[in-house]
Amino acid sequence: GAVVSQHPSWVICKSGTSVKIECRSLDFQATTMFWYRQFPKQSLMLMATSNEGSKATYEQGVEKDKFLINHASLTLSTLTVTSAHPEDSSFYICSARKGDRALRNTEAFFGQGTRLTVV
Amino acid sequence: DAKTTQPTSMDCAEGRAANLPCNHSTISGNEYVYWYRQIHSQGPQYIIHGLKNNETNEMASLIITEDRKSSTLILPHATLRDTAVYYCIVGGAAGNKLTFGGGTRVLVKP
Repeated sequence: GAVVSQHPSWVICKSGTSVKIECRSLDFQATTMFWYRQFPKQSLMLMATSNEGSKATYEQGVEKDKFLINHASLTLSTLTVTSAHPEDSSFYICSARKGDRALRNTEAFFGQGTRLTVV
Repeated sequence: DAKTTQPTSMDCAEGRAANLPCNHSTISGNEYVYWYRQIHSQGPQYIIHGLKNNETNEMASLIITEDRKSSTLILPHATLRDTAVYYCIVGGAAGNKLTFGGGTRVLVKP
């Protein structure tokens, strides 16, 4: 199957600093990528939809100024957690769907996740 | 996207078939049924998806009822490595987001 790669796999940062997480589709182009967050023993919660060349669409309750998303190319989307606080500690996961919007039955592929710990 | 209902957890014996049910009674005509699983501390892994017809691949089989209001994922010969949380999701076109529910925590026992 297609590969989506996230970097870094884990990161520890100090409170108040910013952290950037990269999501790359390695062998296909993705006009749309998705960012999720997962707290321990909970399901994945969609944070935002990243659209290549345009602004991201954020889910209700997600602060767009705190979670900056950039999708500058068809293979790369980045999530920057600004002014991180301990409550932002979580497992962040990106996904991308192969093909364009005309392809209705394409599956999504997920990165391996990034575990963020803010101390 | 339509919501899904899955049992919270289930156990199955190693080597036996595991049948995972999912209800999606509000599914619309153009929505697909997707199954993913998540092994601890990893990103979700795609398993299979379908629209109306039953589907089979090297990992599993997907049985969708005629009215499309429910489906069953079948792992034909469960192994210990199949222990994971299994998510049933319904969704539409390629650009649409996938919304995760609670999933079923499957424990395969020796």
